[in-house]
Amino acid sequence: DIQMTQSSPSLSASVGDRVTITCRASQSISSYLDWYQHNPGKAPKLLIYAASSLQSGVPSRFSGSGSGTDFTLTISSLQPEDFATYYCQQSYSTPLTFGGGTKVEIK
Amino acid sequence: QVQLQESGPGLVKPSQTLSLTCTVSGGSIISDTYYWSWIRQPAGKGLECIGRISTSGSTIYNPSLKSRVTISVDTSKSQFSLKLSSVTAADTAVYYCASWEIAARYFDYWGQGTLVTVSS
Repeated sequence: DIQMTQSSPSLSASVGDRVTITCRASQSISSYLDWYQHNPGKAPKLLIYAASSLQSGVPSRFSGSGSGTDFTLTISSLQPEDFATYYCQQSYSTPLTFGGGTKVEIK
Repeated sequence: QVQLQESGPGLVKPSQTLSLTCTVSGGSIISDTYYWSWIRQPAGKGLECIGRISTSGSTIYNPSLKSRVTISVDTSKSQFSLKLSSVTAADTAVYYCASWEIAARYFDYWGQGTLVTVSS
């Protein structure tokens, strides 16, 4: 199985901050990497697919980058509705695997 | 827009079989676009893919659960189902159903999730 590692389980930030969340794969996954936003009690929401493609309807303050083993999700200016947990997920091979999540909390 | 809704018992006894159903609305479950998937999240832990099924009935299961998992589809009811046998407390989790977009390779629609607790 490909292991996905999000090194920061949580981070604290303020509204307006630029936030960067990292994800590392245990082997190269090319650009087969997606990012999801999850709020408690709600369905996870797809933000970014194929490492850098913005899902329709997702604000442009979200962006993704990376390829191979190292990936980044960036929120350019954090908004109140962005406080949530973010997961990366590899779609390179089965079983599909997720990172452990990074919770973005209010500073 | 496709909507997914999980249903089933919230409490299952140890050694018994967990059974959940996902109802698909707002679109056809008969689709070459999607695999229909189950994902779970134990409390305080990350997301784990359980497996998926096509509308033709082809399945892929997570090897860690394969011996205990069965996913099936009933196109006449627009539903797909999960059965997990011989459950233990470790199977306590929020269970989600989701649609896997085959070509784009992502989960684009998810249910709200349902908590299943394994306890006597």
